[in-house]
Amino acid sequence: SQTIHQWPATLVQPVGSPLSLECTVEGTSNPNLYWYRQAAGRGLQLLFYSVGIGQISSEVPQNLSASRPQDRQFILSSKKLLLSDSGFYLCAWGGQGTFSYEQYFGPGTRLTVT
Amino acid sequence: AQTVTQSQPEMSVQEAETVTLSCTYDTSESNYYLFWYKQPPSRQMILVIRQEAYKQQNATENRFSVNFQKAAKSFSLKISDSQLGDTAMYFCAFMTAGNMLTFGGGTRLMVKP
Repeated sequence: SQTIHQWPATLVQPVGSPLSLECTVEGTSNPNLYWYRQAAGRGLQLLFYSVGIGQISSEVPQNLSASRPQDRQFILSSKKLLLSDSGFYLCAWGGQGTFSYEQYFGPGTRLTVT
Repeated sequence: AQTVTQSQPEMSVQEAETVTLSCTYDTSESNYYLFWYKQPPSRQMILVIRQEAYKQQNATENRFSVNFQKAAKSFSLKISDSQLGDTAMYFCAFMTAGNMLTFGGGTRLMVKP
């Protein structure tokens, strides 16, 4: 069965510091991968998605970037964090199996920028 | 652009009773998919139920069922025999070709003992 991991689970970073969040998927190959952000008490906003290694599409212009160095690894980065980057970051995978249009989410990373 | 609206920010229901959560969406597409996701206090998003727009039959998954009204662009979720573990945020979501999910703002459901 497929499993999706995210780390760290919780992160507190000062304004201006760099960021690296990692997402890995097990049990599938060539998945579509997604990064979402959820502000407190709100719905999810799609940040980036990837259909293959090195292929990244951005949905929202911001100081964040994403990379996919390996088939099942998706990384969210920033060179300098802003207070507005605080939130809950969720990675998701999809595009495989009977219901290839479905997306399955990881446990998330809670980021607080101080 | 597609939009998804959940007009009920909060709802409560007594254990073992039935509750219906509302969702409306706006799109000009004819082929799309609709979902309900549950987010418990752990905050992991869990897929509850899916509906393909080309199917007239409403989807069901155990105690969860939907009322899909394509002409009205309405997609409500009914939870029967509510359980304490159903307490969570519920998000309605919409997807067209390209696999981009658009989420509603969520409904916080509290199941009371």
